[in-house]
Amino acid sequence: DVKVTQSSRYLVKRTGEKVFLECVQDMDHENMFWYRQDPGLGLRLIYFSYDVKMKEKGDIPEGYSVSREKKERFSLILESASTNQTSMYLCASSHRRYGYTFGSGTRLTVV
Amino acid sequence: DQQVKQNSPSLSVQEGRISILNCDYTNSMFDYFLWYKKYPAEGPTFLISISSIKDKNEDGRFTVFLNKSAKHLSLHIVPSQPGDSAVYFCAARPDRGSARQLTFGSGTQLTVLP
Repeated sequence: DVKVTQSSRYLVKRTGEKVFLECVQDMDHENMFWYRQDPGLGLRLIYFSYDVKMKEKGDIPEGYSVSREKKERFSLILESASTNQTSMYLCASSHRRYGYTFGSGTRLTVV
Repeated sequence: DQQVKQNSPSLSVQEGRISILNCDYTNSMFDYFLWYKKYPAEGPTFLISISSIKDKNEDGRFTVFLNKSAKHLSLHIVPSQPGDSAVYFCAARPDRGSARQLTFGSGTQLTVLP
C-alpha cells in the first residue's frame, strides 16, 4: 500500500522557534508538495519540488522554506514560527502529472 | 484571487437522497479536474476526476459533470450515505504544459443525516 508519512500528527511550538515538518513517501514519486489547510481558505500551496534539490514557490511561500536532499523526503521549515502559521499542514506526492497521494497531516499550533 | 471556488461551505442531505456539490473555476487553462474527500484528522483522498474532453465521468455512486462553457463542475453522490459525511475539495490543473501542481477550492462540508 502506497504511503506518504508525516512525522508528527500534532505539534505545539512557541513563537520564534524554528520548526521542521518532515514528509516521507515510499512510492518513488518525483513530485512532492506542501499545502496548508485553513477554514474557508481550502488547501493553499506553500512549496513544491519536482526533483531532488529542486524547489519552487507556491502561492504562499512567505515565512517558509523547504529542503529535498533525497527523493523520498521533503521537509518544510518555518524559520521563525508565528501565530498566523497555526494550521493543518498537508504533504502530498505524485508521479508525473497524476493525482496526489496525501499524508495524514500535521496540526501545528504556535503559541 | 481564487481560481477554483466552492461557494457552499456546507451542505446537509438526508440519507438515501442525492448530494450535489458544486465548483466553479476562472482559469480557462484548466483542463483536468479532480474531487478529493477529507475526513477529520486524515489527509484528503482521491475520489474521481474528469478531463475536459469529457462532460461526465461516473464511478459507482459518484458522478462528476463538467460544463466547460460555464466553467462549472459538479459532483453527484447517489444515494448518499452517512459515511459520505466529509469535506469535499474540488481541484484543477492545466492538462497541457508542464504544471503538475493542483489548485484547490475552499471545500464543502457534506453532512448526510441518517
